[in-house]
Amino acid sequence: NAGVMQNPRHLVRRRGQEARLRCSPMKGHSHVYWYRQLPEEGLKFMVYLQKENIIDESGMPKERFSAEFPKEGPSILRIQQVVRGDSAAYFCASSSGLAKETQYFGPGTRLLVL
Amino acid sequence: GENVEQHPSTLSVQEGDSAVIKCTYSDSASNYFPWYKQELGKRPQLIIDIRSNVGEKKDQRIAVTLNKTAKHFSLHITETQPEDSAVYFCAASTPLSNSGYALNFGKGTSLLVTP
Repeated sequence: NAGVMQNPRHLVRRRGQEARLRCSPMKGHSHVYWYRQLPEEGLKFMVYLQKENIIDESGMPKERFSAEFPKEGPSILRIQQVVRGDSAAYFCASSSGLAKETQYFGPGTRLLVL
Repeated sequence: GENVEQHPSTLSVQEGDSAVIKCTYSDSASNYFPWYKQELGKRPQLIIDIRSNVGEKKDQRIAVTLNKTAKHFSLHITETQPEDSAVYFCAASTPLSNSGYALNFGKGTSLLVTP
């Protein structure tokens, strides 16, 4: 049973470019969360999604950031017109409908904006 | 919103000693408290969790205690080993709609176990 998968593991972008981060939840998990971790900080909640629905995006910046979890395929976190302050590790987590609170994390995508 | 404080930020112990990490939270609606271990460049790994209906939970060398009245919870690692060296994060859950939960993390404790 593969765990939460994320790709790419590392992503380098220049200011103004777009970053697309992908997350495949654990098999059987229908709840997906995205978190951001700045250096030497804890993880900060960004958005919670279920298939084809954004449930809560209260932690996501209002501009440039968007997320989706289509019926088929991985969840995607999209950052448009990246700035240096977007450099961080972005982690995806998933949980099942049974143990809703228990979240398992992917390996993260480390985004570096030059 | 929920605010989670974690102490200490760094902790150095000798192999075989115990390590204790403490966290406080602010939102009385929080009822789930996981602990994650994160090694450098790796994913956070769930090591133990506790729900608000119990005061203590133990799993081999790791134990967690919860005081809901005082809004604090602690991680205890006994007989520490060098492999326990990592950053440990506590978290408190905030309920979201549609059965979701946002985890609010502390800033982490960097634990170093020296041989």
